[in-house]
Amino acid sequence: GDSVTQMEGPVTLSEEACLTINCTYTATGYPSLFWYVQYPGEGLQLLLKATKADDKGSNKGFEATYRKETTSFHLEKGSVQVSDSAVYFCALKEGGSYIPTFGRGTSLIVHP
Amino acid sequence: DTGVSQDPRHKITKRGQNVTFRCDPISEHNRLYWYRQTLGQGPEFLTYFQNEAQLEKSRLLSDRFSAERPKGSFSTLEIQRTEQGDSAMYLCASIQEADTGELFFGEGSRLTVL
Repeated sequence: GDSVTQMEGPVTLSEEACLTINCTYTATGYPSLFWYVQYPGEGLQLLLKATKADDKGSNKGFEATYRKETTSFHLEKGSVQVSDSAVYFCALKEGGSYIPTFGRGTSLIVHP
Repeated sequence: DTGVSQDPRHKITKRGQNVTFRCDPISEHNRLYWYRQTLGQGPEFLTYFQNEAQLEKSRLLSDRFSAERPKGSFSTLEIQRTEQGDSAMYLCASIQEADTGELFFGEGSRLTVL
């Protein structure tokens, strides 16, 4: 079945450092891919998405490119801020399904 | 606030007791989902509704679990004869039928079974 694999955390960075959180997926078809973010004490919220190969999703300085050849959707940011500290979840949804599948999440801690 | 709301936010119960969680989705959203999240894991699908119809249930949803959405608006998730392994965060999410793929999540209901 469909699955999403994320790098283990926590990822600990200093402010203004570069961020990459790896995400790879297994799917039978052509899924849509998502990154959700969960700030402390809040619900998950969509950060960005991409619906087809080579699409780039972007929001709040974060980017991720849908790479079909490597089945990856890595999350990147050039300069992180303390306020980016959160848990980040990679997710996929097959075209013929109504049920998104989530990865285990990667905690990001940014120090001043 | 017109987001997804869940109640209660935290429930502590003794093993063997029944618990019920409620979810109020965004009003124009006709699909509603329940997920479970344990520490260090991502959300795991339990079940979803389109309007009042329960369309799919995960194998995770044992016969002690039942979910309803009687009028196609709010939903309840009941766990009977709770076990310590049921301790988790129960997440509700909703989406419009015009499927952009983006789920709108509530803040979750945390269950602790002693």
